[in-house]
Amino acid sequence: GQQVMQIPQYQHVQEGEDFTTYCNSSTTLSNIQWYKQRPGGHPVFLIQLVKSGEVKKQKRLTFQFGEAKKNSSLHITATQTTDVGTYFCAPIYNFNKFYFGSGTKLNVKP
Amino acid sequence: NAGVTQTPKFQVLKTGQSMTLQCAQDMNHNSMYWYRQDPGMGLRLIYYSASEGTTDKGEVPNGYNVSRLNKREFSLRLESAAPSQTSVYFCATRTGMATQYFGPGTRLLVL
Repeated sequence: GQQVMQIPQYQHVQEGEDFTTYCNSSTTLSNIQWYKQRPGGHPVFLIQLVKSGEVKKQKRLTFQFGEAKKNSSLHITATQTTDVGTYFCAPIYNFNKFYFGSGTKLNVKP
Repeated sequence: NAGVTQTPKFQVLKTGQSMTLQCAQDMNHNSMYWYRQDPGMGLRLIYYSASEGTTDKGEVPNGYNVSRLNKREFSLRLESAAPSQTSVYFCATRTGMATQYFGPGTRLLVL
């Protein structure tokens, strides 16, 4: 199957610090999505990136899609305790089948 | 609108028992999916249904069967449960733009 590497696996930050998670694919992607899962909850869609080099912002969250469409990142500026959860990338190779990265678990200390 | 609902929320089975996990959506989406999530791991696709009347295997289909009963409902059946099937099971639907909406999950423990 398709492989995607997501790093880091865990990140512990002090509230107010920044956070970044990276998603890398060995093959070119069609699109990529990002999801957030709160502890004990279900994944919730955050955003979809489509174009090479695309950058999208949602308040303190910045999403980037690499120029070669093989990697993506999610950056959170000035983390808050409400950012706690696991962030998953979901690269799209085929619009019927979806694969998820292993996720980055973010813990924010107040 | 309820979105995506799953029943049951929790289930404990003994090895060899069978059960069906139910999923229903009121979002009028054509595509539906079943995933499993093991502790500390990402989601792995078990089966999906691109439209009513069709189903296809995902990454980890062994030990499972599915039925797309109608546009609203997509069920997942474990014929003979094994401890390796202990997991959280999520159902999801997909919009035309590929956004997925997940149900709350079913937590399954197989002893």
